[in-house]
Amino acid sequence: ILNVEQSPQSLHVQEGDSTNFTCSFPSSNFYALHWYRWETAKSPEALFVMTLNGDEKKKGRISATLNTKEGYSYLYIKGSQPEDSATYLCALDNAGNMLTFGGGTRLMVKP
Amino acid sequence: DAGITQSPRHKVTETGTPVTLRCHQTENHRYMYWYRQDPGHGLRLIHYSYGVKDTDKGEVSDGYSVSRSKTEDFLLTLESATSSQTSVYFCAISEGGEGMNTEAFFGQGTRLTVV
Repeated sequence: ILNVEQSPQSLHVQEGDSTNFTCSFPSSNFYALHWYRWETAKSPEALFVMTLNGDEKKKGRISATLNTKEGYSYLYIKGSQPEDSATYLCALDNAGNMLTFGGGTRLMVKP
Repeated sequence: DAGITQSPRHKVTETGTPVTLRCHQTENHRYMYWYRQDPGHGLRLIHYSYGVKDTDKGEVSDGYSVSRSKTEDFLLTLESATSSQTSVYFCAISEGGEGMNTEAFFGQGTRLTVV
């Protein structure tokens, strides 16, 4: 069983704050690192899939970086908005097409 | 939205009864997955399939079996439901291959309660 860890477990921020979370994973046999956004009562939706060490991806105010050598990825949200409130999941693909998810970071943005 | 349909969406069943959940896709994706979601555990892989009649176990496969007789359908069966199997079950699909092709698309979830 792979150990994919996310921190913090939950985070409360004020509207306009920038924030970031961490995903840590074993660095051996790395294929890809995924980030998903999961709103309450909906299904997880993919934000990024990253495969190369040093990868940086951006979608609007959300960006992610990847360090495969040390086994971590950061997700950044610039200027958080209430609609960013969700659980953010990272998932490691280390065996080709099989994802192991972390426990998630639950973000709550107060207006 | 990816064409994934889970059925039923909600089910209450008694301990010891068999239960089958269905995942149907219209995307012709090769890979299909069943996950369960429980508080404090995130999403945990139960079983997955990499083609018709090709399946393998995930992290929490005990008490579950799966079948995939057609590309579009992936069935999850609880042979004899137990209260520990009360959970929300998510089906997911992916094209397979490398990189972006491994992005997973999720169904809406099935809430199963075993009483």
